[in-house]
Amino acid sequence: RKEVEQDPGPFNVPEGATVAFNCTYSNSASQSFFWYRQDCRKEPKLLMSVYSSGNEDGRFTAQLNRASQYISLLIRDSKLSDSATYLCVVLSGGYQKVTFGTGTKLQVIP
Amino acid sequence: ETGVTQTPRHLVMGMTNKKSLKCEQHLGHNAMYWYKQSAKKPLELMFVYNFKEQTENNSVPSRFSPECPNSSHLFLHLHTLQPEDSALYLCASSQYKQGNTGELFFGEGSRLTVL
Repeated sequence: RKEVEQDPGPFNVPEGATVAFNCTYSNSASQSFFWYRQDCRKEPKLLMSVYSSGNEDGRFTAQLNRASQYISLLIRDSKLSDSATYLCVVLSGGYQKVTFGTGTKLQVIP
Repeated sequence: ETGVTQTPRHLVMGMTNKKSLKCEQHLGHNAMYWYKQSAKKPLELMFVYNFKEQTENNSVPSRFSPECPNSSHLFLHLHTLQPEDSALYLCASSQYKQGNTGELFFGEGSRLTVL
């Protein structure tokens, strides 16, 4: 089993749609979780951290389920500018274990 | 604007060349990373430095040689590379304390092509 798994997509959704991505992780001792966004031929940039109680930032909502070992990202009212690859990142055991998922590609269509 | 600067942004080299990638972070972080990103693959961690000490080397071939002269600068020396080493090389930094690291901040990457 991969340490961090994501559906690679692509997810093609119309503008205004709601889309959700899931990410599963194998290490139950993982401590911190993030969603990063990567535009084509650009570097990854932090989108949001994922907190145990769930957190929201505008149209974006992140959830953590430790029992089932997955995190999710919900995007409401999708915009064309949301088109990118979304990377799930899991931190375990300090700075050594920073594991990225393969990313989920989102394409928002006019 | 990114607090992590990488140069050069693009590099084309032959298999017998020697070149270096440079990374500088202006965020006061104490940990720096080299990642490799190839097409359709997840980011691969290559090296981690914490307080200038190398703490991770993920079975990276010896044709890649990292150097961290201080907590703000990180180099990746390249020699006798192979065409399959062509990729985007990303530098990142983070602040590590009390057994945990905060989020990683990435540079814009150095896109390497090996002919």
